[in-house]
Amino acid sequence: DGGITQSPKYLFRKEGQNVTLSCEQNLNHDAMYWYRQDPGQGLRLIYYSQIVNDFQKGDIAEGYSVSREKKESFPLTVTSAQKNPTAFYLCASSGPPGQSNSPLHFGNGTRLTVT
Amino acid sequence: GDSVTQMEGPVTLSEEAFLTINCTYTATGYPSLFWYVQYPGEGLQLLLKATKADDKGSNKGFEATYRKETTSFHLEKGSVQVSDSAVYFCALMNTGANSKLTFGKGITLSVRP
Repeated sequence: DGGITQSPKYLFRKEGQNVTLSCEQNLNHDAMYWYRQDPGQGLRLIYYSQIVNDFQKGDIAEGYSVSREKKESFPLTVTSAQKNPTAFYLCASSGPPGQSNSPLHFGNGTRLTVT
Repeated sequence: GDSVTQMEGPVTLSEEAFLTINCTYTATGYPSLFWYVQYPGEGLQLLLKATKADDKGSNKGFEATYRKETTSFHLEKGSVQVSDSAVYFCALMNTGANSKLTFGKGITLSVRP
């Protein structure tokens, strides 16, 4: 079955360490996205990529970095510069860009806790 | 820019009660509208969608009608079940080369037996 796999489900890190969250999709989707979810704030877009080797900042990109070397993979690195990294991170993908009726497909998320 | 406003939560209902979750939007052009649902510990799933004015999206007993005149897309269900307990997000996507989903803040629904 096609889908999006995020790993690990739970991640714990010490403050000051960089950490990379994995996101892999086998849906053959061009576009991939990273969202952050905090209680009471909904989903906020961190980065997105419409095509391999290209990505754009979302609304809260500071302290994060991404790469898109392969169509299937869009890893997110939470750097030590991110002031409040503890959150639930969701990866998503969608079909051809510009199609407004293409829904996002989400992974099951990674809960990152930084102490 | 585009924005989505959802009613404040959380919402607690008894089983078989009628559900309405309000959603209004601000957008240029003619966006598509969506409702997503997030069950505990999971990612979001598309619940229903509508791509043009007066369209009605429906799924699993839920319905929402795209009302351009009131810029609304309220979610309704005639009789909720305990299994409907989840977080519900309203979202819109505009057309264009760099289109992306804009989400509301989400609302938590708890249904008690």
